[in-house]
Amino acid sequence: DQQVKQNSPSLSVQEGRISILNCDYTNSMFDYFLWYKKYPAEGPTFLISISSIKDKNEDGRFTVFLNKSAKHLSLHIVPSQPGDSAVYFCAASAPGRGSGQNFVFGPGTRLSVLP
Amino acid sequence: KAGVTQTPRYLIKTRGQQVTLSCSPISGHRSVSWYQQTPGQGLQFLFEYFSETQRNKGNFPGRFSGRQFSNSRSEMNVSTLELGDSALYLCASSPAQVGTEAFFGQGTRLTVV
Repeated sequence: DQQVKQNSPSLSVQEGRISILNCDYTNSMFDYFLWYKKYPAEGPTFLISISSIKDKNEDGRFTVFLNKSAKHLSLHIVPSQPGDSAVYFCAASAPGRGSGQNFVFGPGTRLSVLP
Repeated sequence: KAGVTQTPRYLIKTRGQQVTLSCSPISGHRSVSWYQQTPGQGLQFLFEYFSETQRNKGNFPGRFSGRQFSNSRSEMNVSTLELGDSALYLCASSPAQVGTEAFFGQGTRLTVV
């Protein structure tokens, strides 16, 4: 039972255009969401996060949108650059489970930005 | 500030053996989590330690265990290795607070033959 879903295994975008990566979740207790980027042979790198009290968070070229009623979040990258080519993971956590860090990750979306 | 350090980077073990992986968190971080990444399952949460106590545990068999030392360094141990344990094992550290991002190490690639 996958609680965090990324239904697009891969995405190709032209350099300079917008990349939109989507993520859906099923657990309504999730209240904190993160996006990570992963290059081969490296650990995931934190990109941006959003708590459930917000519907948008922006950091440079990266913006995360959260739609709680639809249990959906998306990561927008504008403009996309070839160096953004990587696997992007959506992650979520819920409060109360031992009050610790316990992220549930989606399966990832491989983004390819074409020059 | 040094990042999360995992050792060793690569490991080959035989079925039935046991293995211990090590993780040194970012200085000042007291929470250490472990994840298993496989091509079919993505990143799966193993367990999280804080102040030498296990705070959270994922759905893995008892062959997977861990511990944390007083300096926040953590080890995870897998006993009676199976072929399916071949994976990238990632360690992440966080400040004490809940609801903050976790910073990952480069991982240990374990191959069981």
